[in-house]
Amino acid sequence: EPEVTQTPSHQVTQMGQEVILRCVPISNHLYFYWYRQILGQKVEFLVSFYNNEISEKSEIFDDQFSVERPDGSNFTLKIRSTKLEDSAMYFCASSVTFLLGMSNGYTFGSGTRLTVV
Amino acid sequence: DQQVKQNSPSLSVQEGRISILNCDYTNSMFDYFLWYKKYPAEGPTFLISISSIKDKNEDGRFTVFLNKSAKHLSLHIVPSQPGDSAVYFCAASVRSGANNLFFGTGTRLTVIP
Repeated sequence: EPEVTQTPSHQVTQMGQEVILRCVPISNHLYFYWYRQILGQKVEFLVSFYNNEISEKSEIFDDQFSVERPDGSNFTLKIRSTKLEDSAMYFCASSVTFLLGMSNGYTFGSGTRLTVV
Repeated sequence: DQQVKQNSPSLSVQEGRISILNCDYTNSMFDYFLWYKKYPAEGPTFLISISSIKDKNEDGRFTVFLNKSAKHLSLHIVPSQPGDSAVYFCAASVRSGANNLFFGTGTRLTVIP
């Protein structure tokens, strides 16, 4: 079964450093997303991306965050200057279509655990 | 801003019995609801969904019920199996808008053999 692949599985970084989280969505999917889950809290939407541009973003996704699809396969989330509160599990997801009912929801990756120290 | 709430952080059920997981929402604009299952060290996996035009959707052992007037949905698993032990997330979306999902905080289901 096709998978969304995320690397690395765990990233430890010092506060103030830049990190790039990588994702390879499912090849025929057109919509890409980042979500995060702070330990013990709910999964929160960060950003959605379609046709090489951001289609929606939450208030969490401030100027410190950016997304990019640098080539035909990768989808990256960059955090410019990490803060302690950025420590969370970051999930990438992709879907075939914008219409959830047709796509049966997104396919999520296994996540990258980001620890900011 | 808890638009989707799962008030039970955990639930334990005997194997073979019914598991009922509950979810409440506050935003009346939500018109599509999903349940995801999550194992440790994995991403959420889609389980079942329901559109607001329905009040029930069934898929094998899993049934989701939607009560729009109460802004409440539930997931029934019957019979429960030990492999169902996981964290279950309820999620909601506005399909006519951006289809980002609003998640609840999850319920950890433990099915006891």
